[in-house]
Amino acid sequence: DTEVTQTPKHLVMGMTNKKSLKCEQHMGHRAMYWYKQKAKKPPELMFVYSYEKLSINESVPSRFSPECPNSSLLNLHLHALQPEDSALYLCASSQDRAGGTEEETQYFGPGTRLLVL
Amino acid sequence: AQSVTQLDSHVSVSEGTPVLLRCNYSSSYSPSLFWYVQHPNKGLQLLLKYTSAATLVKGINGFEAEFKKSETSFHLTKPSAHMSDAAEYFCVVSEGLFGFGNEKLTFGTGTRLTIIP
Repeated sequence: DTEVTQTPKHLVMGMTNKKSLKCEQHMGHRAMYWYKQKAKKPPELMFVYSYEKLSINESVPSRFSPECPNSSLLNLHLHALQPEDSALYLCASSQDRAGGTEEETQYFGPGTRLLVL
Repeated sequence: AQSVTQLDSHVSVSEGTPVLLRCNYSSSYSPSLFWYVQHPNKGLQLLLKYTSAATLVKGINGFEAEFKKSETSFHLTKPSAHMSDAAEYFCVVSEGLFGFGNEKLTFGTGTRLTIIP
């Protein structure tokens, strides 16, 4: 089973709202990722968690706040977003961090489509 | 540093004819290479991966790719296109340098595959 689930599938929020995106995997993977994808563009990495610790933050604005409560769950807390933050937010997981082995293969969830008004 | 070039932004083929999606990469180390497919309004699905084993890699749905180090290429092929193959395809490289923060994947800009009935 290589399933990563994400909720909600769609989200509309105002610029003053606080919302959260949720990602879950039960494959025993120890690395989890958040990506942002704009229309007709490849995904852009936002955050990487490895063994429940934040290992990479790609200079993401503080209005995006990631959280990894346990090895199966990854959240992305959203606050005071801007309309340009509207995008597809993808979560991914891999068995381990990069190492030139099978363990680095990332499996993606279906994404949450976010619209900020 | 690693990089990926997808040589065609858009490819159109007739149903039942061969598919060729071209990808060239640049890497300072022995890379891992992946092809992902993204259907409209969906997440990314792993098609196949090369991680230093056999150079000819078979994936799902009849796709395969050949790793050619001398040409730094990893082209994706399928003998006979099906209507359901219409999607965006991303070639992805990972240098797999454990401990160097290289959990990052580098994505190509994508190739949109259109199937003509």
